[in-house]
Amino acid sequence: QSVLTQPPSVSAAPGQKVTISCSGSSSNIGNNDVSWYQQLPGTAPKLLIYDNNKRVSGIPDRFSGSKSGTSATLGITGLQTGDEADYYCATWDNSLNTEIFGGGTKLTVL
Amino acid sequence: QMQLVQSGAEVKKTGSSVKLSCRASGYTFTYRSLHWVRQTPGQAPEWMGWIKPFNGNTFYAQKFQDRVTMSRDKSMTTAYMELSSLRSEDTAMYYCAGSDSYGYFVFDSWGQGTQVTVSS
Repeated sequence: QSVLTQPPSVSAAPGQKVTISCSGSSSNIGNNDVSWYQQLPGTAPKLLIYDNNKRVSGIPDRFSGSKSGTSATLGITGLQTGDEADYYCATWDNSLNTEIFGGGTKLTVL
Repeated sequence: QMQLVQSGAEVKKTGSSVKLSCRASGYTFTYRSLHWVRQTPGQAPEWMGWIKPFNGNTFYAQKFQDRVTMSRDKSMTTAYMELSSLRSEDTAMYYCAGSDSYGYFVFDSWGQGTQVTVSS
């Protein structure tokens, strides 16, 4: 069980919008910045968002991030079939003294 | 453009050790930290630790502290991760990942992964 809680799956139709939540605590999200990674099947994770809401160069503005208190959210608008992937949030945990990842959310674009 | 190329798949016996490599190119090797992250199928990635190629300093996740050793060869621009006392639960894909472009623990470049299979 991951310290960061994500919904196992989300789905939406092409062109629609989806949000993926990541819930933590004061020892992690509450006091540290959050990153988001996309992992396409059979590939390594890819950095999308860092410092809660900053997009990596080359990542379309359809992807956005936010943080409030001990939770973070990844938003994806204008869904495309190529967005089908697993998405992970990540942050540092001050109690565990380690970088931790959420359990992952599988996005299906119907 | 940071590129990380990892060594090939490994099959190991329970109780043995494995040493993986991660060859870096496209940037100054000593300028950026390298991390090791592992992942079992259907599970979240798990951070194992990091090494600073500049001085060889390491920091390991507590879970792996007794069994992992990270090192580097500056002349070969290559980082290594050795995991000992292997057990079946260590069967996973192991990635090296680079950071420091956006933050110490923001992994902006990843190797292609090395599959490690542990069996008796």
